[in-house]
Amino acid sequence: DAGVIQSPRHEVTEMGQEVTLRCKPISGHDYLFWYRQTMMRGLELLIYFNNNVPIDDSGMPEDRFSAKMPNASFSTLKIQPSEPRDSAVYFCASSSLPGQGDFGPGTRLTVT
Amino acid sequence: GENVEQHPSTLSVQEGDSAVIKCTYSDSASNYFPWYKQELGKRPQLIIDIRSNVGEKKDQRIAVTLNKTAKHFSLHITETQPEDSAVYFCAASGPDSSYKLIFGSGTRLLVRP
Repeated sequence: DAGVIQSPRHEVTEMGQEVTLRCKPISGHDYLFWYRQTMMRGLELLIYFNNNVPIDDSGMPEDRFSAKMPNASFSTLKIQPSEPRDSAVYFCASSSLPGQGDFGPGTRLTVT
Repeated sequence: GENVEQHPSTLSVQEGDSAVIKCTYSDSASNYFPWYKQELGKRPQLIIDIRSNVGEKKDQRIAVTLNKTAKHFSLHITETQPEDSAVYFCAASGPDSSYKLIFGSGTRLLVRP
């Protein structure tokens, strides 16, 4: 298995632009998580899905952030409009067992 | 809400010495406690985990202990090697689902050759 796949690996965009991050979980994993990592706030859970259904989005910072999982093999995290404070590394993780998460390589987002 | 505190924030040890990182959690309902290692520029990787029905778990040079009464758990690395240098994160399962993890703030471990 190739593991969790994320794209793009790096994204540089200007403030106000829409950003879409993509994730392909490990096949057979029915839980998918989106995390954000910054020096100031550490590793934060934004949202997680079970069987493509959002279960807990309490970590989503504000309405500018949205996430979807149209099928078992694909999820997106969208930021519209983006702001400089959104600059971070965004990780997608998937799991089939409680708590255990296999992380993807992350997307480093820079908003100028 | 659930909170996980991790100490120390940085730790420097001589190669061959032991390293101990400690975490406390706030929600007594938490029942799963993983530890992740993150090398610079890389993803967090699970290195060991423990569930609330176990007090201690060991895997070669690393071990984790759990004290549910005191709500704290620790990572022990023995015979440290330079390749152990990384940031280590503890985590605890959230109050309503063991699938939701709350992470500590991380410990930067430096092993001096």
